[in-house]
Amino acid sequence: GEDVEQSLFLSVREGDSSVINCTYTDSSSTYLYWYKQEPGAGLQLLTYIFSNMDMKQDQRLTVLLNKKDKHLSLRIADTQTGDSAIYFCAVYSSASKIIFGSGTRLSIRP
Amino acid sequence: DGGITQSPKYLFRKEGQNVTLSCEQNLNHDAMYWYRQDPGQGLRLIYYSQIVNDFQKGDIAEGYSVSREKKESFPLTVTSAQKNPTAFYLCASSWDRGNTEAFFGQGTRLTVV
Repeated sequence: GEDVEQSLFLSVREGDSSVINCTYTDSSSTYLYWYKQEPGAGLQLLTYIFSNMDMKQDQRLTVLLNKKDKHLSLRIADTQTGDSAIYFCAVYSSASKIIFGSGTRLSIRP
Repeated sequence: DGGITQSPKYLFRKEGQNVTLSCEQNLNHDAMYWYRQDPGQGLRLIYYSQIVNDFQKGDIAEGYSVSREKKESFPLTVTSAQKNPTAFYLCASSWDRGNTEAFFGQGTRLTVV
Protein backbone atom coordinates (compact mmCIF):
# COMPACT_ATOMS: atom_id res chain seq x y z
CA GLY A 1 0.00 0.00 0.00
CA GLU A 2 0.94 3.65 0.08
CA ASP A 3 3.68 4.60 2.46
CA VAL A 4 5.54 7.75 3.47
CA GLU A 5 8.77 7.50 5.45
CA GLN A 6 10.85 10.01 7.37
CA SER A 7 13.61 9.83 9.93
CA LEU A 8 12.35 10.47 13.46
CA PHE A 9 14.88 12.99 14.74
CA LEU A 10 17.13 15.79 13.51
CA SER A 11 19.32 18.08 15.58
CA VAL A 12 20.95 21.20 14.13
CA ARG A 13 22.85 24.19 15.47
CA GLU A 14 21.06 27.53 15.54
CA GLY A 15 21.80 29.47 12.38
CA ASP A 16 22.63 26.38 10.32
CA SER A 17 20.37 24.93 7.63
CA SER A 18 18.08 22.01 8.43
CA VAL A 19 17.27 19.42 5.81
CA ILE A 20 14.42 17.02 6.45
CA ASN A 21 14.00 14.14 4.05
CA CYS A 22 11.03 12.04 3.05
CA THR A 23 10.42 9.13 0.69
CA TYR A 24 7.08 7.92 -0.61
CA THR A 25 5.82 4.98 -2.60
CA ASP A 26 2.81 6.26 -4.58
CA SER A 27 4.25 7.47 -7.87
CA SER A 28 0.92 9.01 -8.88
CA SER A 29 0.82 11.45 -5.94
CA THR A 30 -0.22 14.82 -7.27
CA TYR A 31 0.45 17.06 -4.29
CA LEU A 32 3.15 16.74 -1.67
CA TYR A 33 3.10 18.73 1.54
CA TRP A 34 5.14 19.73 4.53
CA TYR A 35 3.32 20.38 7.78
CA LYS A 36 4.64 21.68 11.10
CA GLN A 37 3.27 20.65 14.49
CA GLU A 38 4.08 22.43 17.70
CA PRO A 39 3.47 20.70 21.06
CA GLY A 40 -0.19 19.99 21.80
CA ALA A 41 -1.40 21.66 18.63
CA GLY A 42 -2.80 20.70 15.28
CA LEU A 43 -0.84 20.73 12.05
CA GLN A 44 0.03 23.88 10.18
CA LEU A 45 0.72 23.73 6.47
CA LEU A 46 4.18 25.12 5.71
CA THR A 47 4.33 24.60 2.00
CA TYR A 48 3.34 22.22 -0.75
CA ILE A 49 4.60 21.30 -4.19
CA PHE A 50 2.85 19.96 -7.25
CA SER A 51 4.22 16.76 -8.71
CA ASN A 52 5.17 18.51 -11.95
CA MET A 53 7.60 20.80 -10.11
CA ASP A 54 11.19 20.14 -9.04
CA MET A 55 11.64 22.93 -6.57
CA LYS A 56 9.70 25.54 -4.67
CA GLN A 57 11.13 28.32 -2.56
CA ASP A 58 9.26 30.36 0.01
CA GLN A 59 11.39 32.68 2.14
CA ARG A 60 13.54 30.42 4.35
CA LEU A 61 11.92 27.24 3.06
CA THR A 62 13.04 25.29 0.01
CA VAL A 63 11.28 22.14 -1.14
CA LEU A 64 13.01 19.78 -3.54
CA LEU A 65 11.19 16.96 -5.32
CA ASN A 66 12.91 14.09 -7.08
CA LYS A 67 10.01 12.32 -8.69
CA LYS A 68 12.14 9.55 -10.16
CA ASP A 69 13.44 8.55 -6.72
CA LYS A 70 10.18 9.50 -4.97
CA HIS A 71 12.13 11.70 -2.61
CA LEU A 72 11.01 14.99 -1.08
CA SER A 73 13.07 17.28 1.10
CA LEU A 74 12.48 20.43 3.12
CA ARG A 75 15.35 22.80 3.73
CA ILE A 76 15.03 25.48 6.40
CA ALA A 77 17.69 28.15 6.08
CA ASP A 78 19.09 29.98 9.13
CA THR A 79 17.31 27.67 11.58
CA GLN A 80 15.96 29.45 14.66
CA THR A 81 14.75 28.17 18.04
CA GLY A 82 11.20 28.85 16.92
CA ASP A 83 11.63 26.20 14.24
CA SER A 84 11.70 23.48 16.90
CA ALA A 85 8.73 21.26 16.12
CA ILE A 86 7.70 18.03 14.44
CA TYR A 87 7.66 18.23 10.65
CA PHE A 88 5.39 15.95 8.67
CA CYS A 89 5.73 15.01 5.07
CA ALA A 90 2.40 14.10 3.41
CA VAL A 91 1.19 13.10 -0.04
CA TYR A 92 -2.20 13.26 -1.70
CA SER A 93 -2.51 9.75 -3.00
CA SER A 94 -4.26 8.25 -5.99
CA ALA A 95 -6.90 6.89 -3.59
CA SER A 96 -7.99 10.46 -2.82
CA LYS A 97 -6.66 10.51 0.70
CA ILE A 98 -3.76 12.20 2.40
CA ILE A 99 -1.03 9.93 3.73
CA PHE A 100 1.38 11.21 6.37
CA GLY A 101 4.85 10.19 7.38
CA SER A 102 5.75 9.55 11.00
CA GLY A 103 7.13 13.04 11.49
CA THR A 104 10.66 14.33 12.11
CA ARG A 105 11.31 16.04 15.42
CA LEU A 106 13.64 18.97 14.81
CA SER A 107 15.63 20.21 17.79
CA ILE A 108 17.89 23.25 17.78
CA ARG A 109 21.23 23.43 19.62
CA PRO A 110 22.54 26.81 20.76
CA ASP B 1 -13.21 33.60 10.42
CA GLY B 2 -13.09 30.42 8.34
CA GLY B 3 -11.62 27.37 9.92
CA ILE B 4 -12.01 23.94 11.38
CA THR B 5 -12.97 23.44 15.00
CA GLN B 6 -12.56 20.41 17.18
CA SER B 7 -14.09 20.09 20.59
CA PRO B 8 -13.38 19.49 23.32
CA LYS B 9 -9.60 19.94 23.53
CA TYR B 10 -9.31 17.41 26.36
CA LEU B 11 -11.67 14.52 27.02
CA PHE B 12 -11.66 11.89 29.73
CA ARG B 13 -13.79 8.75 29.66
CA LYS B 14 -14.09 5.56 31.58
CA GLU B 15 -13.18 2.34 29.88
CA GLY B 16 -16.17 0.72 28.18
CA GLN B 17 -17.95 3.98 27.34
CA ASN B 18 -18.48 5.28 23.85
CA VAL B 19 -17.39 8.86 23.25
CA THR B 20 -18.00 11.23 20.35
CA LEU B 21 -15.49 13.83 19.18
CA SER B 22 -16.79 16.84 17.34
CA CYS B 23 -15.36 18.35 14.15
CA GLU B 24 -16.94 21.30 12.36
CA GLN B 25 -15.67 23.33 9.41
CA ASN B 26 -17.00 26.46 7.73
CA LEU B 27 -14.62 26.38 4.79
CA ASN B 28 -17.16 24.77 2.45
CA HIS B 29 -14.76 21.87 1.97
CA ASP B 30 -16.11 18.65 0.54
CA ALA B 31 -13.57 16.27 2.07
CA MET B 32 -13.04 15.64 5.76
CA TYR B 33 -10.64 13.32 7.55
CA TRP B 34 -9.97 11.86 10.99
CA TYR B 35 -6.45 10.94 12.05
CA ARG B 36 -5.07 9.42 15.18
CA GLN B 37 -1.65 10.44 16.45
CA ASP B 38 0.44 8.36 18.82
CA PRO B 39 4.00 9.22 19.90
CA GLY B 40 6.54 8.21 17.26
CA GLN B 41 3.90 6.88 14.87
CA GLY B 42 2.85 9.98 13.04
CA LEU B 43 -0.72 10.31 11.81
CA ARG B 44 -2.79 7.31 10.92
CA LEU B 45 -5.98 7.69 8.93
CA ILE B 46 -9.12 6.45 10.67
CA TYR B 47 -11.94 7.50 8.30
CA TYR B 48 -12.41 9.99 5.51
CA SER B 49 -15.35 11.41 3.65
CA GLN B 50 -15.33 13.04 0.24
CA ILE B 51 -19.00 13.97 0.13
CA VAL B 52 -22.04 14.19 2.37
CA ASN B 53 -23.58 10.83 3.30
CA ASP B 54 -20.52 8.93 2.16
CA PHE B 55 -17.32 7.90 3.95
CA GLN B 56 -14.56 5.35 3.65
CA LYS B 57 -12.45 3.43 6.13
CA GLY B 58 -8.86 4.44 6.55
CA ASP B 59 -6.04 2.28 7.82
CA ILE B 60 -7.24 1.86 11.42
CA ALA B 61 -11.05 2.08 11.32
CA GLU B 62 -11.75 -0.79 13.72
CA GLY B 63 -13.43 0.41 16.90
CA TYR B 64 -14.44 3.74 15.38
CA SER B 65 -17.52 5.03 13.59
CA VAL B 66 -18.36 8.26 11.77
CA SER B 67 -21.27 10.00 10.13
CA ARG B 68 -21.47 12.75 7.51
CA GLU B 69 -25.01 14.03 7.54
CA LYS B 70 -23.97 17.64 6.92
CA LYS B 71 -21.15 19.03 4.80
CA GLU B 72 -19.70 21.01 7.69
CA SER B 73 -19.73 18.25 10.31
CA PHE B 74 -17.86 14.95 10.63
CA PRO B 75 -18.15 13.54 14.16
CA LEU B 76 -16.07 10.56 15.25
CA THR B 77 -17.31 8.03 17.78
CA VAL B 78 -14.73 6.02 19.66
CA THR B 79 -16.52 2.86 20.69
CA SER B 80 -15.81 0.46 23.51
CA ALA B 81 -14.51 -1.95 20.87
CA GLN B 82 -11.43 0.22 20.33
CA LYS B 83 -8.74 -1.56 22.33
CA ASN B 84 -6.40 1.33 22.92
CA PRO B 85 -8.38 4.57 22.53
CA THR B 86 -6.11 6.95 24.46
CA ALA B 87 -4.53 9.18 21.81
CA PHE B 88 -4.51 12.60 20.18
CA TYR B 89 -7.20 12.86 17.48
CA LEU B 90 -6.93 15.30 14.61
CA CYS B 91 -9.63 16.29 12.17
CA ALA B 92 -8.89 17.87 8.80
CA SER B 93 -10.77 19.13 5.77
CA SER B 94 -9.89 19.93 2.19
CA TRP B 95 -11.41 20.53 -1.22
CA ASP B 96 -12.21 17.34 -3.06
CA ARG B 97 -10.03 15.70 -5.71
CA GLY B 98 -7.19 17.92 -6.71
CA ASN B 99 -6.98 19.64 -3.36
CA THR B 100 -4.09 21.88 -2.53
CA GLU B 101 -3.94 21.49 1.22
CA ALA B 102 -5.72 20.09 4.21
CA PHE B 103 -6.64 22.37 7.09
CA PHE B 104 -6.39 20.88 10.55
CA GLY B 105 -8.21 21.46 13.76
CA GLN B 106 -6.32 21.87 17.02
CA GLY B 107 -6.95 18.28 18.05
CA THR B 108 -8.69 16.46 20.89
CA ARG B 109 -6.67 14.57 23.44
CA LEU B 110 -8.72 11.61 24.61
CA THR B 111 -7.75 9.78 27.77
CA VAL B 112 -9.57 6.62 28.73
CA VAL B 113 -9.13 5.48 32.32
